[in-house]
Amino acid sequence: QVTLKESGPVLVKPTETLTLTCTVSGFSLSNARMGVSWIRQPPGKALEWLAHIFSNDAKSYSTSLKSRLTISKDTSESQVVLTMTNMDPVDTATYHCARSPDAAGNGWYPEGPYFDYWGQGFLVTVSS
Amino acid sequence: QSALTQPPSASGSPGQSVTISCTGASSDVGGYNYVSWYQQYPGKAPKLMIYAVSQRPSGVPDRFSGSKSGNTASLTVSGLQAEDEADYYCSSYAGSNTVVFGGGTKLTVL
Repeated sequence: QVTLKESGPVLVKPTETLTLTCTVSGFSLSNARMGVSWIRQPPGKALEWLAHIFSNDAKSYSTSLKSRLTISKDTSESQVVLTMTNMDPVDTATYHCARSPDAAGNGWYPEGPYFDYWGQGFLVTVSS
Repeated sequence: QSALTQPPSASGSPGQSVTISCTGASSDVGGYNYVSWYQQYPGKAPKLMIYAVSQRPSGVPDRFSGSKSGNTASLTVSGLQAEDEADYYCSSYAGSNTVVFGGGTKLTVL
């Protein structure tokens, strides 16, 4: 049974750095075909893709947020970590991690990126 | 990396068919056969309904189908059921290993 669960601080202050952890089970982060993305959703708004870590440890980031994001993984702990610097109230959102099959050195070929399992989401509020 | 354009709302009566569009550009939807669709109930995580434009994961009813023409992808729900009432989001590969989502469509079953 594949599961993903997000954890982190529920409240951060403006300008602080957010660190979120996604703990996975039911699959291995060292699997040659499984990566993990972070996706967020402000209250009442649309989904926004943030970052992805491929099975070969390559990383990709949203163009608009790239300067603020870092994604990494600890395969021994089955965890994927996202850090976002310089938090602002507009970053208030539910943050999801989601599994995405990939082709390691070939990116998301041949089926493209899709997210087959999602965490329940974790609401982060940015406020002083 | 602009969000894909979806109609804010769509509706249909039980048993009818409804189609939700997702318009992008040649740099995303039009450039790759890498569109996926997600169903989301309030307060819940999204669920994958379609990937690679028209592929259906196991367990997704065949009432859900996907297609693409040019820069516009579409999700069609046939034989509408009350349980189909939810938000639907499209997503596309946008080059350089990036992903873009649509603005979402609220589907109402009348």
